[in-house]
Amino acid sequence: GQQVMQIPQYQHVQEGEDFTTYCNSSTTLSNIQWYKQRPGGHPVFLIQLVKSGEVKKQKRLTFQFGEAKKNSSLHITATQTTDVGTYFCAGPGSGGSNYKLTFGKGTLLTVNP
Amino acid sequence: KAGVTQTPRYLIKTRGQQVTLSCSPISGHRSVSWYQQTPGQGLQFLFEYFSETQRNKGNFPGRFSGRQFSNSRSEMNVSTLELGDSALYLCASSLGLGTSAYNEQFFGPGTRLTVL
Repeated sequence: GQQVMQIPQYQHVQEGEDFTTYCNSSTTLSNIQWYKQRPGGHPVFLIQLVKSGEVKKQKRLTFQFGEAKKNSSLHITATQTTDVGTYFCAGPGSGGSNYKLTFGKGTLLTVNP
Repeated sequence: KAGVTQTPRYLIKTRGQQVTLSCSPISGHRSVSWYQQTPGQGLQFLFEYFSETQRNKGNFPGRFSGRQFSNSRSEMNVSTLELGDSALYLCASSLGLGTSAYNEQFFGPGTRLTVL
């Protein structure tokens, strides 16, 4: 079945440093979604990428979707303590009508003030 | 607009019992998806309901079942509970199918189930 892998599993940074998490799928994705889950909270939708090679920015966050639509990345510039949490990518398979959303295991980001 | 609500928030059961969890989606949303979250396995898709029909199903045993009502509210049932069913159960609602493009999923706060 489809697998979505994320690396790294954990990342600890000093406040002000940059952070990147990578997401790789075993199959082509029709779209990819990113979520953030704060400690003790629930996942919150950040963004969805649909087009091959798409790049979207949200303030200090930059999201990319690979040309082959099998990988994606999230980059945070100049991290802040408010960025702490687990970042998940999720994607469905492409084609057909009976596919499910598969989540990566997530990258836990901790920020030292 | 009110968010996704889940009840109960916490539940303690013993092995062999059954449990029913409830999810009320955002008004107007027709899709409700259920996920199991554990430290070891992460977020795993259970099933998705859209307009009262199960549209997609994850790789969970038949002990896990669900349904959706005409008002889009959804319930999830787990029968013959096992220790390994201890987890945070999250539901998410969206306008369209959860996997579709240009569709945002809104998660509820979850139900923390502990099986003793």
